[in-house]
Amino acid sequence: AQKVTQAQTEISVVEKEDVTLDCVYETRDTTYYLFWYKQPPSGELVFLIRRNSFDEQNEISGRYSWNFQKSTSSFNFTITASQVVDSAVYFCALSEAGNTPLVFGKGTRLSVIA
Amino acid sequence: DGGITQSPKYLFRKEGQNVTLSCEQNLNHDAMYWYRQDPGQGLRLIYYSQIVNDFQKGDIAEGYSVSREKKESFPLTVTSAQKNPTAFYLCASSLDGYNEQFFGPGTRLTVL
Repeated sequence: AQKVTQAQTEISVVEKEDVTLDCVYETRDTTYYLFWYKQPPSGELVFLIRRNSFDEQNEISGRYSWNFQKSTSSFNFTITASQVVDSAVYFCALSEAGNTPLVFGKGTRLSVIA
Repeated sequence: DGGITQSPKYLFRKEGQNVTLSCEQNLNHDAMYWYRQDPGQGLRLIYYSQIVNDFQKGDIAEGYSVSREKKESFPLTVTSAQKNPTAFYLCASSLDGYNEQFFGPGTRLTVL
């Protein structure tokens, strides 16, 4: 069965600090997809990234970067030089091949303090 | 603009009443989903539909019902059988089951 664990329930950082959000997943499939979403206080989830299991290349998008390591079943998310606008709940999710729905982790609440 | 709309944003219901939450998308997506989120919790899947006139139960389908008569619409009915319906409900859609899901703004349901 598929499972996503986000062990960090809440994180607080001071503005301009770097912060890494951890995501560990479990799946028996060799083909799967990993996702990160951001949920700001407004409530709507915003898609950040999708990664398939055959692409372990790290990705960088502005201040955001993702580290995918199959050896440790992890897909961690780093925000560099955090800003107050980064304050949100961040969810990691997994979808196995075969057109299955996403399974979400419980989320990590990030608070960036000015 | 393309996107997903949910209405209403806030909904109040008396115990014992059924209520229907609306979800519409104009992204031409085949798949649509309903999630429930409780305070401090992740998202739990209620129902999903990968094609018109077909839908499957998710992890917490009891007390809920859906229909998918049109590609762009996937309404969710919260019935009186749902024991604890007060929650934040999110609708999502995706091109198909392999692609990222895009979410609507959500409906906050409160049972009085």
